[in-house]
Amino acid sequence: AQRVTQPEKLLSVFKGAPVELKCNYSYSGSPELFWYVQYSRQRLQLLLRHISRESIKGFTADLNKGETSFHLKKPFAQEEDSAMYYCAPYYSSTLTFGKGTMLLVSP
Amino acid sequence: DTGVSQDPRHKITKRGQNVTFRCDPISEHNRLYWYRQTLGQGPEFLTYFQNEAQLEKSRLLSDRFSAERPKGSFSTLEIQRTEQGDSAMYLCASSLISDEQFFGPGTRLTVL
Repeated sequence: AQRVTQPEKLLSVFKGAPVELKCNYSYSGSPELFWYVQYSRQRLQLLLRHISRESIKGFTADLNKGETSFHLKKPFAQEEDSAMYYCAPYYSSTLTFGKGTMLLVSP
Repeated sequence: DTGVSQDPRHKITKRGQNVTFRCDPISEHNRLYWYRQTLGQGPEFLTYFQNEAQLEKSRLLSDRFSAERPKGSFSTLEIQRTEQGDSAMYLCASSLISDEQFFGPGTRLTVL
């Protein structure tokens, strides 16, 4: 069965600390991997996708096919990074979202 | 605003009533998706259209759920004989084929 797991419901860090939001997936094929973000009172939006290999707002994510992981990282968290983050594999024209991790960055 | 729009933003209905939600995608996008999101969960895929063709509908939650996109532009999602378990946020997204999906603000349904 196709499955995506985000093990942490909540991740709380102080400003300037490193952040890693974990995502593991289980798929029979080779999905494309996305991270979506939802800031307070805003709509869901794309943060980054693995094929672009871009760094967006200081975030990066490395696809590890051996471990089937796509963890999201940022070396120095900012207060404005506080949001809900969803890992989402894309396969057969379908996005499957994890349950999400709430990131809280305190001053 | 040229983003995805959804109407209504909130809907309160009584159990057993039918409800219909509308989604207007970004104008040049040929794909339109519907999702449901319940508390504490990520969005759950329901169905999608490419132009007016509904290419995947096996994930619709029951035969009470149906969706249309008659002219390949806006779409409607209908829930017949609503149940309390249908209370959720219903999200619409649109994209060019296999590209980034842009989400609407959602319609929050409450079934009393």
